Amino acid sequence: DAGITQSPRHKVTETGTPVTLRCHQTENHRYMYWYRQDPGHGLRLIHYSYGVKDTDKGEVSDGYSVSRSKTEDFLLTLESATSSQTSVYFCAISERTGDSGYNEQFFGPGTRLTVL
Amino acid sequence: DQQVKQNSPSLSVQEGRISILNCDYTNSMFDYFLWYKKYPAEGPTFLISISSIKDKNEDGRFTVFLNKSAKHLSLHIVPSQPGDSAVYFCAASDNYGQNFVFGPGTRLSVLP
Repeated sequence: DAGITQSPRHKVTETGTPVTLRCHQTENHRYMYWYRQDPGHGLRLIHYSYGVKDTDKGEVSDGYSVSRSKTEDFLLTLESATSSQTSVYFCAISERTGDSGYNEQFFGPGTRLTVL
Repeated sequence: DQQVKQNSPSLSVQEGRISILNCDYTNSMFDYFLWYKKYPAEGPTFLISISSIKDKNEDGRFTVFLNKSAKHLSLHIVPSQPGDSAVYFCAASDNYGQNFVFGPGTRLSVLP
């Protein structure tokens, strides 16, 4: 199994509070991703990173920010949590396999976030 | 508008029989496809992949078929086992696998 951990695994918070989720990897993979999983939508990309301090927006980035100051850590921040951000959040990692192409994404165990 | 569709939210199959999970996509630029399996309270795990230069890829009991003209792929599991009961996600990429778009998933139940 790829070495990916997420913390916390569960969190309940109130509307308007800031929340930070952490993804930590021991694989030294360059690419890291944050997804949210909601019923009927599958996994939707929030933000991704292609290197330290290099990040870009995904499909559902509004209300979220990210930071990557070290290869192994990718942080997802909800500046002011809303009930619509109640979801399960997954971190994933991947690496390039050559001039083009990447290996499959390996996923962490997920963080269940409830915003009341 | 979903670019990757899995029109069957659920599927039930008898143990030992074939399971066929379907996935349709709308973006003709997708060139790399993956299937993931997900158990409750766990992250998705990679199952099998196929690139657009192939129309079939096999790995043990799992085979993925790609029909580019129909923008359709399918995952065949033969024979199905109770441990295959999970949610299966189809994912597609148009940049060789850097980023993926996921379908909504199909819940497979394999009945003993």
